[in-house]
Amino acid sequence: SQKIEQNSEALNIQEGKTATLTCNYTNYSPAYLQWYRQDPGRGPVFLLLIRENEKEKRKERLKVTFDTTLKQSLFHITASQPADSATYLCALEIGGYQKVTFGTGTKLQVIP
Amino acid sequence: ETGVTQSPTHLIKTRGQQVTLRCSSQSGHNTVSWYQQALGQGPQFIFQYYREEENGRGNFPPRFSGLQFPNYSSELNVNALELDDSALYLCASSLEVGRGGEQYFGPGTRLTVT
Repeated sequence: SQKIEQNSEALNIQEGKTATLTCNYTNYSPAYLQWYRQDPGRGPVFLLLIRENEKEKRKERLKVTFDTTLKQSLFHITASQPADSATYLCALEIGGYQKVTFGTGTKLQVIP
Repeated sequence: ETGVTQSPTHLIKTRGQQVTLRCSSQSGHNTVSWYQQALGQGPQFIFQYYREEENGRGNFPPRFSGLQFPNYSSELNVNALELDDSALYLCASSLEVGRGGEQYFGPGTRLTVT
C-alpha cells in the first residue's frame, strides 16, 4: 500500500526565513499531490496541487516541487510569518483510484 | 470558511453503541469523502461517495458505513463502537476526486468512546 513520510514532526524557524517541508512516498507514483494546512481543532485547508507532469507550482509565498524520480515533494514558504504556524499535510491520489492518502503532517512554528 | 458543515461538533458514546455523524457539502459538490483523524496523525480515508454511490473505500471494517442523499449531504454510521474509534471525523466535499479535485473540509466531529 502507499506510504507517505513527512520529514519531521515539528519544524521551528525564524520569522522571515524560508521554511522547507518534505514529503516522500513509496510504491505507486501518484497522479496528483496536494498540500493542506491544518490549524488546531479545524479541518485541513487546501493550499496547492501539483500534477505528475509538473515540476513546480507557485502561489504567492508558497512553492511546491514534485520529483517523481526521487518520489518526493518539497513545500516552501518564503518570508515566513508567525501566522504561517500550523500543521502542513501532504496528500496524494493515485490516478484512477478514488482514495486520497495523507501524511502525518509537519508542525511548523515560526518564531518572531 | 469552506461552506462544509458537520454535526454534531462533539459527541461522547459508550463502547458497543452506534453513532451517526452528518455532513452538509459545499453547494454544487457531488462527491463527499470521510476521514478519521487520530490525535497527532494525518486523516485516514474511510470511504467516498459520488452521486449517492460508494466510490472507494479505505481499510475500515464494514461497521463503518455511509449514505449520500440526493441533495449531496451525507452520513457516516459506525456500529459497535470501540475505544479506538475515538478520533476527529472529517468530511470533505469536492466536484470530483480522481481528477485531483480540491477537497473542502468541514470542521469535524470529535468523537470520544468511553
